[in-house]
Amino acid sequence: SQQGEEDPQALSIQEGENATMNCSYKTSINNLQWYRQNSGRGLVHLILIRSNEREKHSGRLRVTLDTSKKSSSLLITASRAADTASYFCATDAGVMNTGFQKLVFGTGTRLLVSP
Amino acid sequence: DAGVIQSPRHEVTEMGQEVTLRCKPISGHDYLFWYRQTMMRGLELLIYFNNNVPIDDSGMPEDRFSAKMPNASFSTLKIQPSEPRDSAVYFCASGQGMYNSPLHFGNGTRLTVT
Repeated sequence: SQQGEEDPQALSIQEGENATMNCSYKTSINNLQWYRQNSGRGLVHLILIRSNEREKHSGRLRVTLDTSKKSSSLLITASRAADTASYFCATDAGVMNTGFQKLVFGTGTRLLVSP
Repeated sequence: DAGVIQSPRHEVTEMGQEVTLRCKPISGHDYLFWYRQTMMRGLELLIYFNNNVPIDDSGMPEDRFSAKMPNASFSTLKIQPSEPRDSAVYFCASGQGMYNSPLHFGNGTRLTVT
C-alpha cells in the first residue's frame, strides 16, 4: 500500500531557525495532509493540500506539493521550542466507497527545537 | 468539545489476558478509526466504522483482535488473548463524512503485554 516517507528522520535546530521536512509517496493522491504529534499525545491535524494546489500557508507553516515528483515539504519558519514534536504526512489511499478518504501515514520526522 | 476520549491511558497486562480499549468519538462525527503505532511499523490502520457499521477490517492483524461500535458515541477494541507483540500505542480517531476533512485523534492507550 502507498505510504509517505518523511525525510529526515530526525532534525535538531535552534529556536528562530527554519525547519524543513520532506515527504515522498508512491502513488497518485487526491490530497496530502500534515499532522503533528507531541510526545505521549495523539496526532493533531496541521494542514491539507489538494493535488491541484502547489503551495499553501497557515501561520508559520508553509506546505508545498509537487505531484510530478510525488513529494511534499513542510516548512516551519521561526521555530520555537514548542514546535518540538514528530511530524507526519498522510496521503489518501483513494476515496473509500463511503466517501471518506482512507489515510495512510508516513514514518515521521522527529523535530527538536532547542532554546 | 472534549475531543476524542480514550481509556485507559495505560494498560499493563500479562500474556493471555483479555484487553479492552475504549473510545468516545467527537459528537456528530460519523467515521471512527482505530490505529496502532509502533516504532517498527509506524501508524497502521486496523479498522474503521461508518455510522457504527464496520466497513473495512483488513488491517486487523489476527482473529484475536475484534472491534465493536454499539452506538455513535462508543467503540471498543478487544484483544483476546493478548501477546507481547501486541504492545503498542492504540489510537482512536474520528472524522466527519466529508471528503478532505481531517481526522481528530485521541491521546491513545499505551498497551504493554508482559
